[in-house]
Amino acid sequence: DTEVTQTPKHLVMGMTNKKSLKCEQHMGHRAMYWYKQKAKKPPELMFVYSYEKLSINESVPSRFSPECPNSSLLNLHLHALQPEDSALYLCASSPWDSSEHGYTFGSGTRLTVV
Amino acid sequence: KNQVEQSPQSLIILEGKNCTLQCNYTVSPFSNLRWYKQDTGRGPVSLTIMTFSENTKSNGRYTATLDADTKQSSLHITASQLSDSASYICVVSAEVPSDMRFGAGTRLTVKP
Repeated sequence: DTEVTQTPKHLVMGMTNKKSLKCEQHMGHRAMYWYKQKAKKPPELMFVYSYEKLSINESVPSRFSPECPNSSLLNLHLHALQPEDSALYLCASSPWDSSEHGYTFGSGTRLTVV
Repeated sequence: KNQVEQSPQSLIILEGKNCTLQCNYTVSPFSNLRWYKQDTGRGPVSLTIMTFSENTKSNGRYTATLDADTKQSSLHITASQLSDSASYICVVSAEVPSDMRFGAGTRLTVKP
């Protein structure tokens, strides 16, 4: 299995809703990432997990809460989002101890906040 | 200032033609450079990855070059197809695996 699977593919939520984005990989990668991508812009790093521990938080607002239950799963819990949070949210994974291999990205979740 | 600059910002070519996309970077220390293809609304898909010692790497109709001295890379697409229409993103890694710098991408449109 050489894929990163993200669910759901599309999500529309109100500003008072609570929802979660899910990401799963079975490649044995020990680093997992959340990125946010606005239209026609490059992805922006949000969080990095290495060996199931949060190692990087790029000053992301607390309305985004990441969780790594195990080495294969990565969640992003959403609460009280704003319309400007609408974007494509990408999950990626990589071997932590090697920079020779590229990230493997998921197909993303298209989030719309109304 | 972004440490990875791509040009052109957008490009339109006719089906069957070749094209070359450019990537200049200032990331240091350098570990590797990757080219990704991203279809609209989808996640990036890796095309090539090149380390400091590699000059050229091919993946089908895609050929990437790297000049580590001038800190420049190019992605050459031969015999373009309609399905090549996408954004092509250059990503440069520093020595820490998580430290990846993204270019803004080149939006390629292939017309029949």
